[in-house]
Amino acid sequence: EAGVAQSPRYKIIEKRQSVAFWCNPISGHATLYWYQQILGQGPKLLIQFQNNGVVDDSQLPKDRFSAERLKGVDSTLKIQPAKLEDSAVYLCASSPNLRQSSYNEQFFGPGTRLTVL
Amino acid sequence: DAKTTQPPSMDCAEGRAANLPCNHSTISGNEYVYWYRQIHSQGPQYIIHGLKNNETNEMASLIITEDRKSSTLILPHATLRDTAVYYCIVRVNTGTASKLTFGTGTRLQVML
Repeated sequence: EAGVAQSPRYKIIEKRQSVAFWCNPISGHATLYWYQQILGQGPKLLIQFQNNGVVDDSQLPKDRFSAERLKGVDSTLKIQPAKLEDSAVYLCASSPNLRQSSYNEQFFGPGTRLTVL
Repeated sequence: DAKTTQPPSMDCAEGRAANLPCNHSTISGNEYVYWYRQIHSQGPQYIIHGLKNNETNEMASLIITEDRKSSTLILPHATLRDTAVYYCIVRVNTGTASKLTFGTGTRLQVML
């Protein structure tokens, strides 16, 4: 079974530029998450999708961050304009939504490391 | 979701058992204990979870105290590939997918 795919793996931009990250979840997984992981910290949820609808975006800085999952499969996360403090690893994860299961394990991609200069 | 407390780092000799503690003194009756780990330059990986009974799978064992205020993840025979940051997470199982709230975890270094 193929895992969660993310691209690019690395990105270096200057502040005030724009950047976009792409995620392809595991086939059939209804739920998709974007996490931000700053160096030395644990991942923090930015946004959660259920199919193509947003479930939780309470910690997404909406003035500069946006995300979409138009067809309920792939997703993109965009930052416009980027700030120095956005330097982090952006992780995508997916999970099935098995209502008969007591737990829906999350499967993470390798992440995109963003450096803002 | 209840907060957890973990030591920032631990060392373990290869081939020995690694015992990683986690305190979750404010855990509620319907909250589960989960463990994930993150190997360098990779995304987190699920290890195990439990409610109140001890659990074991092919990766590890989870021991939860009777009062559920703390737990220990046991890697029975640690190898160099087990070097990673281990996260203890407490959350409710809603029957649907929901977010994970990560702390700073324990950095386990397995040594020769």
